[in-house]
Amino acid sequence: KNQVEQSPQSLIILEGKNCTLQCNYTVSPFSNLRWYKQDTGRGPVSLTIMTFSENTKSNGRYTATLDADTKQSSLHITASQLSDSASYICVVSALGPSGTYKYIFGTGTRLKVLA
Amino acid sequence: DTAVSQTPKYLVTQMGNDKSIKCEQNLGHDTMYWYKQDSKKFLKIMFSYNNKELIINETVPNRFSPKSPDKAHLNLHINSLELGDSAVYFCASSQDWLAGGPRRYEQYFGPGTRLTVT
Repeated sequence: KNQVEQSPQSLIILEGKNCTLQCNYTVSPFSNLRWYKQDTGRGPVSLTIMTFSENTKSNGRYTATLDADTKQSSLHITASQLSDSASYICVVSALGPSGTYKYIFGTGTRLKVLA
Repeated sequence: DTAVSQTPKYLVTQMGNDKSIKCEQNLGHDTMYWYKQDSKKFLKIMFSYNNKELIINETVPNRFSPKSPDKAHLNLHINSLELGDSAVYFCASSQDWLAGGPRRYEQYFGPGTRLTVT
């Protein structure tokens, strides 16, 4: 069964600290993996997209890693800011039997950054 | 300019009613999607249209009927609303259906429509 699991479920850190969010997936056949940031009351916004051959991708203070062998990804946030408080969602896409791509969403990690 | 817009932002209605949510994108994208986010914040794809043609139809009750009058619009009509339909519905778009594939096109999400069925 195609699944995407994220940990921790929630996380509280102090402003300026670093943190790492985890994503494990069992999706097959794997196509690409995305990390989204979703602020409260808003739609998700893409942070990074990685394909099978990429093992790291950065977007400012966000760095995503991908280990396709162990089917794990992480999102590292450096020098956190109050505006980083949001839900972070891992999404894996797979080619479905009908020849179209399906998106399997993780349940997200809720990050709160305190001053 | 808003890239993906949805109306209404909030929708409160009674069980049994029929309602529609509208979505428009001005990005020139070929593919549009509807997602449902439940109370546990879990997002799940419902439908996807590419150039007005249905390409993804997940296991969704047939009370939900998407309609794409042109590739810039994807509306969601819901008949006989039930309590369990209460959720936030997000519309999204991507350049084409290969967004999930090696071309890695981004998906752009709308602001969401919070539907409450009483």
